[in-house]
Amino acid sequence: DTEVTQTPKHLVMGMTNKKSLKCEQHMGHRAMYWYKQKAKKPPELMFVYSYEKLSINESVPSRFSPECPNSSLLNLHLHALQPEDSALYLCASSQVTGVGEKLFFGSGTQLSVL
Amino acid sequence: RKEVEQDPGPFNVPEGATVAFNCTYSNSASQSFFWYRQDCRKEPKLLMSVYSSGNEDGRFTAQLNRASQYISLLIRDSKLSDSATYLCVVKTDSNYQLIWGAGTKLIIKP
Repeated sequence: DTEVTQTPKHLVMGMTNKKSLKCEQHMGHRAMYWYKQKAKKPPELMFVYSYEKLSINESVPSRFSPECPNSSLLNLHLHALQPEDSALYLCASSQVTGVGEKLFFGSGTQLSVL
Repeated sequence: RKEVEQDPGPFNVPEGATVAFNCTYSNSASQSFFWYRQDCRKEPKLLMSVYSSGNEDGRFTAQLNRASQYISLLIRDSKLSDSATYLCVVKTDSNYQLIWGAGTKLIIKP
């Protein structure tokens, strides 16, 4: 069982909706990540938070807005998404962002945009 | 050339057989190497880190060849439950990016 918890597991939303994805970890990790994964493709990095500060934004459109309220929580706020944004959204964490750090993934949110 | 390349498969292998995957990477500055396993519609899970000296975990053996810039994963006595996509992952020195291969799909048949 994963120690990174994501909710909801499934989400269907319209292009005018606002929704949020949530991620929580209690392993004391100080780095948290959002990835997007399309079917039969590897995960694509979206955002990295290190010590609750945004470290990397991989040129993600502004309709995706990350938030890190504290060291255990990571949110992804969604607004005015497009159908092509439908994908599996994965949260991950690692102790820090060092070279050898291993990532632990949550089970993901399967998002469908209609 | 892709930064990390894997044979996409699928590899169809009978139960009990030995199967090997290779993965090549283009950046000679790469420092960390991992194999992840991903089941259909599930999250990737770390299978093994890969060290220069090679490492083994039960039926799984990982090897790194820095000179030729490839890593390998060997699965012995394959089980039905080994059916999954195996993703090769490489990390360079100072950035946070994991560079993912496209994955190799493995199907173990009874």
